[in-house]
Amino acid sequence: AQSVAQPEDQVNVAEGNPLTVKCTYSVSGNPYLFWYVQYPNRGLQFLLKYITGDNLVKGSYGFEAEFNKSQTSFHLKKPSALVSDSALYFCAVRDDNYGQNFVFGPGTRLSVLP
Amino acid sequence: KAGVTQTPRYLIKTRGQQVTLSCSPISGHRSVSWYQQTPGQGLQFLFEYFSETQRNKGNFPGRFSGRQFSNSRSEMNVSTLELGDSALYLCASSASLAGALGEQYFGPGTRLTVT
Repeated sequence: AQSVAQPEDQVNVAEGNPLTVKCTYSVSGNPYLFWYVQYPNRGLQFLLKYITGDNLVKGSYGFEAEFNKSQTSFHLKKPSALVSDSALYFCAVRDDNYGQNFVFGPGTRLSVLP
Repeated sequence: KAGVTQTPRYLIKTRGQQVTLSCSPISGHRSVSWYQQTPGQGLQFLFEYFSETQRNKGNFPGRFSGRQFSNSRSEMNVSTLELGDSALYLCASSASLAGALGEQYFGPGTRLTVT
């Protein structure tokens, strides 16, 4: 069975500092990994994905994520945080076995302090 | 391109009633997935439709059902509403089956409150 863990409910970071939001996963096959962001009273917005290839994936709004197969992790990073990055971040995984649905992590609330 | 639209945006129902939510995917997208989001359970997958056929189903009771029309628009229905069904219901569309190689695009959600 697939599962996703986001070990931190809340991450606080000062504006201008680098940020990391952690994600670990478990799948039976090869993983498709995704990060989504949710702003208040809004649906989820896609940030980036890892399907195959380069372990460092670059996405929207300056975010990037590193796929680490040995640690089964897919941490989201940004070199310099903005106050406007404050939101709820979800990591999601889909097993490459055809027909497997998405499993989302519980979410991490990121607060960027001015 | 217009994004995913969901109607209505807000809904208040009483226990025992039934409700139908609607989702219009991005033009050209054939996959529509539904999710329930609550503070306690997070985002949980309900079901996915692709080309009018249900392809995947999450672990929800039979009171939750859905369908997809030939124009890819989808509806989900919840019968005999319970207080615990209060949630934000999100619809997501993708060009391929559940975004197998691509990403899902989410609508703004329908906020259902059951009293």
